[in-house]
Amino acid sequence: DADVTQTPRNRITKTGKRIMLECSQTKGHDRMYWYRQDPGLGLRLIYYSFDVKDINKGEISDGYSVSRQAQAKFSLSLESAIPNQTALYFCATSIGRLTDTQYFGPGTRLTVL
Amino acid sequence: QKEVEQNSGPLSVPEGAIASLNCTYSDRGSQSFFWYRQYSGKSPELIMFIYSNGDKEDGRFTAQLNKASQYVSLLIRDSQPSDSATYLCAVNINGGSQGNLIFGKGTKLSVKP
Repeated sequence: DADVTQTPRNRITKTGKRIMLECSQTKGHDRMYWYRQDPGLGLRLIYYSFDVKDINKGEISDGYSVSRQAQAKFSLSLESAIPNQTALYFCATSIGRLTDTQYFGPGTRLTVL
Repeated sequence: QKEVEQNSGPLSVPEGAIASLNCTYSDRGSQSFFWYRQYSGKSPELIMFIYSNGDKEDGRFTAQLNKASQYVSLLIRDSQPSDSATYLCAVNINGGSQGNLIFGKGTKLSVKP
């Protein structure tokens, strides 16, 4: 089984709809991250969480919210989806020490019509 | 603004050749550096990380770090068509406990049979 899973893997939705992307991990890592990736813009950090009670905004948090339900679960919500939120979304985890390698989930391809 | 710069490519090399991928970063306080490989539509996967000046070898891959010049490179020896992917350079901009990575936009590598 994969260490970092994301659901759904693909989603098509309409403008104005609320949508939640979920991430679960079995790596036992404290830190979790949400990124979006757009062609030509690279990976950009949306939110990150160092533990259940510590949630921080990243570079592009506007229009997004998150919930850290447990050490293993970190959800990303789009309260009212808009077309420019169409992107590939990745969840990642890390141990949280100097090495701090991040391990990525398989991604969710989101299309907002 | 702290940045990580990569040539977007595409970099095209013949099978069996050495591919050289370069990355520069703006924050002199950066302490750890990562190379990820990303196939089209897939998630980034870690190739290797480096913390100290000099070379670090892992199989066909060698990472090189020069903190004085603020660059890190990745050499791929005996390149194979399966190495064709986008290579992302990532830098831990805050060092140590913070652990947030800034990603470059990636260099697309094409290995021709």
